[in-house]
Parts: sequence; structure tokens; C-alpha cells
Amino acid sequence: KAGVTQTPRYLIKTRGQQVTLSCSPISGHRSVSWYQQTPGQGLQFLFEYFSETQRNKGNFPGRFSGRQFSNSRSEMNVSTLELGDSALYLCASSIQSSGANVLTFGAGSRLTVL
Amino acid sequence: AQSVTQPDIHITVSEGASLELRCNYSYGATPYLFWYVQSPGQGLQLLLKYFSGDTLVQGIKGFEAEFKRSQSSFNLRKPSVHWSDAAEYFCAVGAPDDMRFGAGTRLTVKP
Repeated sequence: KAGVTQTPRYLIKTRGQQVTLSCSPISGHRSVSWYQQTPGQGLQFLFEYFSETQRNKGNFPGRFSGRQFSNSRSEMNVSTLELGDSALYLCASSIQSSGANVLTFGAGSRLTVL
Repeated sequence: AQSVTQPDIHITVSEGASLELRCNYSYGATPYLFWYVQSPGQGLQLLLKYFSGDTLVQGIKGFEAEFKRSQSSFNLRKPSVHWSDAAEYFCAVGAPDDMRFGAGTRLTVKP
């Protein structure tokens, strides 16, 4: 069974640009969550999608957005990049959104903003 | 609001020694508790979870954790640490649509 796949693994952008990251969940998983990980702030929840609907959102500016497609694949977009957006972006999938369910993580997308 | 505290930012143990990583949580209802491990530049791997039932749970790689409701704790233990256990460990509480992670504990293993 394939795991959670995130693409690209590494990317470098400059301030002001925008970036799109992709996440393919485990087959059968309908919930996809996104996290930002930085040395200073740790793991911060961005948003969670289930059946193409955003169920929950963390405390991030509107420059951070996401969506989920009918096949459960998800993308997140960051517009007008800032230096502070440099981070490891982790995607995780789960069968359901609520209750006793396990998050399975991808390897992450390492974004560097210059 | 739910939250997780990992009091130890960095722990160093000798190879072969025992290990205990602390985790305290705040949660309104019966908590769903997890321990994850992360190697540098990688995603998080699930070590073990507690949903209900037996308060001592066994995980992969010889790890175990004990849920203590009275102390709001879910400490991770391993009787004998191997050099390959050097990594960052995260405690988490909640469901996928509202999962909260601790700040992590970085484990260094001395030869």
C-alpha cells in the first residue's frame, strides 16, 4: 500500500512568488491535513480537508490556502511568499476527520524562500 | 482548548540506557494520544497510540507508553536505547481535524 506522497520534495522560491504543493493520500483516506514545521514554531496546523470540504483551519494568513479534489488529493498554495514561509510543509492523511483515527505523514516538502 | 506540553527540549542518554520522554496534555474529553518520531528532513512516523482500554500501550521499535489520566500524562519509555533511536519525538493529542502537537524532544544517544 503506497504511503502519503508529497511533491515536490524540495523547492526554492523568491520573495513575492507563489508556490503550490501537492499531496496524494493513502488510498481510501479521505481526510488530508497540512502542517508547517519550523525550528522556532514547531508543528503548526494549517488546515484539514475531508471530502473536498475544509473542516478546520489554523491561525495562518489568507495567503495560505488549500483545496481537495474528488480523488482526495490535496494541494496547498502560498501566495506572495515571505522569508518566514521557509519551512518543511507536511501533509498527513487519515480515513476520517474526527474520532479515533491515525494521521499518516508524508516525507514533506522543504520550501526555501530567498 | 486542547494542548500538549513536552517539558524536555533535549535529552541525552547513553546507548543501552533506559529512556523516558515526558508528555502532559490538556483535553476536555477522553483523549486520543499519540507518539511520533521524526528523523532529520523526514516526515513523522507513528510509534504508538492510545484510544481506550489498557493504559500501557506497546509500539514499534520496542517503545511503550503509559496513559495516566490522574496526571494527564502519556510518557514514552524504552528499556534500552539504540544509537538509531536518535531523532526528534513528538507527543500529540486529538483527532485529525484538530490534532495538537507538542514542541518535540530531541534525543541524542551517546556511544
